[in-house]
Amino acid sequence: AQSVSQHNHHVILSEAASLELGCNYSYGGTVNLFWYVQYPGQHLQLLLKYFSGDPLVKGIKGFEAEFIKSKFSFNLRKPSVQWSDTAEYFCAVGWNSGNTPLVFGKGTRLSVIA
Amino acid sequence: NAGVTQTPKFRILKIGQSMTLQCTQDMNHNYMYWYRQDPGMGLKLIYYSVGAGITDKGEVPNGYNVSRSTTEDFPLRLELAAPSQTSVYFCASSQGQGNTEAFFGQGTRLTVV
Repeated sequence: AQSVSQHNHHVILSEAASLELGCNYSYGGTVNLFWYVQYPGQHLQLLLKYFSGDPLVKGIKGFEAEFIKSKFSFNLRKPSVQWSDTAEYFCAVGWNSGNTPLVFGKGTRLSVIA
Repeated sequence: NAGVTQTPKFRILKIGQSMTLQCTQDMNHNYMYWYRQDPGMGLKLIYYSVGAGITDKGEVPNGYNVSRSTTEDFPLRLELAAPSQTSVYFCASSQGQGNTEAFFGQGTRLTVV
């Protein structure tokens, strides 16, 4: 079955630290890749997405992600986090086969401390 | 720009009661989805629809029912509420196939006591 794994359940960082959140998906084929962010008490919002082309994609608020096809990975990065980045981050994958909806990872909770 | 609208935002139900969570979107999207979110478990797909009149089960459909009579609306029905259905429910929609960007509603926090 198609699945998405996020390696870290909870990450705690100090402000200005660098961030990398891991995301791997279960098997190949053509995929669309997404990172969503959920701020406390809010709904999911799109952070960035990859459909094709340059495997390094840039999103909002200084986030970027790199698609490495050989590793089935789509890791999220930010060079310097801020307190306002405290949120839960979800990786999602859409396989280009049929009508299967996006499959989400379990999420990584990021806490940024001053 | 309403996007995806869910009502109610909060609800407390007693065991055995029924209710309908409403979801409507104004983006003319074909695909609509219902997810539930439980702490540490991510999002689990309950039901989805690829267009008016067509629905399909997701990962956790038991205890729920849906209908899709129009493109805009995709209500989720709980017939006999159980404590295990305490969760936050999100409705979402997408334009193209299921592998495209999903737009989410604000969520409904449901507690069954």
